[in-house]
Formats: sequence, structure tokens, C-alpha cells
Amino acid sequence: DTEVTQTPKHLVMGMTNKKSLKCEQHMGHRAMYWYKQKAKKPPELMFVYSYEKLSINESVPSRFSPECPNSSLLNLHLHALQPEDSALYLCASSQDRTYNEQFFGPGTRLTVL
Amino acid sequence: AQKITQTQPGMFVQEKEAVTLDCTYDTSDPSYGLFWYKQPSSGEMIFLIYQGSYDQQNATEGRYSLNFQKARKSANLVISASQLGDSAMYFCAMREGTYRGKIIFGKGTRLHILP
Repeated sequence: DTEVTQTPKHLVMGMTNKKSLKCEQHMGHRAMYWYKQKAKKPPELMFVYSYEKLSINESVPSRFSPECPNSSLLNLHLHALQPEDSALYLCASSQDRTYNEQFFGPGTRLTVL
Repeated sequence: AQKITQTQPGMFVQEKEAVTLDCTYDTSDPSYGLFWYKQPSSGEMIFLIYQGSYDQQNATEGRYSLNFQKARKSANLVISASQLGDSAMYFCAMREGTYRGKIIFGKGTRLHILP
């Protein structure tokens, strides 16, 4: 299995809602990543988990809360988001933080109303 | 200062022709890695090719090759015999250092393959 899966594919939420994005991989990778990508822009790194511990937080607002319950699963909890948070959220994994290739999931397209 | 520069916002190429997508980078770290990713309209980022700063040979993967010119800090992607399915956004990216895990992407080049 060489796939990173993300659910849901699309999410529409209000500014007062709480929702979660889910990412899963079964490649035995020990590093997992969240990226945010606005339309017509490159992906921007948000968080890196290495061996289930948060190793990089790119000064992301606290309304985004990552969680890595086990080595295969990465969640992104969303609360009190703003319309400008609407974007494509991409999850990726790699063998570890030093490994070259990151495998990306298909993304969750988030719209905040 | 931009770490990764892609100067071609868009390109139109005839099918079956070779394509070169430009990428220059800026780093003072002697250890770094360079990547190219393809992003079709569906959104998924597809890894194409990797070049390490200490690699002596240019990387190749099927129809993709990376023209690595270290002194010029250039890492152009060459796609041979382009196909309609190559139409997508292409991102050049760099990882500085060995252990940091962070990849920085360029702004991308939108490639259109014409039949």
C-alpha cells in the first residue's frame, strides 16, 4: 500500500463549527506533515510529526490543532476558523524526516463560511 | 529573499516535444535536496524526481531528468516526449540540511501540452 488517504475530500463549515481532517498511511512512515495550499499558490508547511511527536509548528494559529494518535494516523482539528482559512489541506508522509520523498494525499478542500 | 525561483508562470508546448522547466535556488547550506512535484487539477502532489546536493550524477526517472548545475544554483526539470497527461502545475522544491524535514516550494509553472 503506497497511498496516503485523506478524509473528507470536501468540507464546508461555519466559523463556529468544530471539525477534523483525517490522514492515514500504511507505508510504515514515521514522519507526517500537514500543508495548506491556497488557490494558485504553492503548498505551505504547517506541521511536522516525527515518530508521533510534533517536531515543527510553522507558527500556525491555535485554531488549528494537530494530533498524531499513532504512527499511521494524523488528524487536524479545526475550531473557530476564519473565511481566509479556506484552502486545500494536504497531508504527506515520508519514511522519516531525513528521507527525501514525501508522499502526498489527495487533499481536503475546505471552505469556511 | 526567495529560496526557490520559478520564472515561468505558464508554458505551452506541443505534444511529443521536450520541455524544460526552470528552477533556481538559494541556500548557504552545503547539504540540501531538490525536488520536483507535479500537481494535476485534482490537487494531489505527485513526486517526480529528487537531486541531492552531493549527488555527482543528474537524477533521471523515466521521461523526467533533472539538469543540476550546482555552481549556477539551477535545477531545471526536463520532460522528454511530452504527453497530454503532462498538463499540470509543476513545483520545484528544496529541503535545506539533512534533518529538518521542511520543504520549501517555488511558485510553480503551469504547463499546457497542446495536441
